Amino acid sequence: KAGVTQTPRYLIKTRGQQVTLSCSPISGHRSVSWYQQTPGQGLQFLFEYFSETQRNKGNFPGRFSGRQFSNSRSEMNVSTLELGDSALYLCASSSEGLYEQYFGPGTRLTVT
Amino acid sequence: AQSVSQHNHHVILSEAASLELGCNYSYGGTVNLFWYVQYPGQHLQLLLKYFSGDPLVKGIKGFEAEFIKSKFSFNLRKPSVQWSDTAEYFCAVKNNNAGNMLTFGGGTRLMVKP
Repeated sequence: KAGVTQTPRYLIKTRGQQVTLSCSPISGHRSVSWYQQTPGQGLQFLFEYFSETQRNKGNFPGRFSGRQFSNSRSEMNVSTLELGDSALYLCASSSEGLYEQYFGPGTRLTVT
Repeated sequence: AQSVSQHNHHVILSEAASLELGCNYSYGGTVNLFWYVQYPGQHLQLLLKYFSGDPLVKGIKGFEAEFIKSKFSFNLRKPSVQWSDTAEYFCAVKNNNAGNMLTFGGGTRLMVKP
């Protein structure tokens, strides 16, 4: 099976802009979770989608949002980018039954 | 809110030395526990997991971990490390009331000298 794929792999944006990141889960996986990884804060949970519904949400401002499509692909959006949003954004998928999560390679976002 | 602590931020070992990385979590309910590894330039990979049953779990590449419920700990061990084990290691906890949300520890950077 192909692994979790994320696009784009690298992105450079300017403060105030918005950005959309995409994640394709492993085939058959219906749960997609997003995490932010930074040197200072480590790995932090953003949100989880299951069957097109947000099931959990981490402690991030409303500028961070996401959605999931009927084919389980997911997108996350960050509006009004701030310098502090520079991070590696990881997507993880898992199968029904809350098994372990498989991570993608991440999207490296740099905000200038 | 649950939290995860990894006591060692940086560890340097020589090849063939034994490894133990500490992980403690705070949550009183039922948890699932994981160790992930991130090799340089690669994505997070699952090393091992504990869901239930035998508290001593074995993972890939000779790693094992022991769940001690009374100590809220899930320490990672390997009897003899190799240079190729150089990586960052993350402990993570999932509680059964929060879907698939993982709470990660801060990570431990392991460097193995050849």
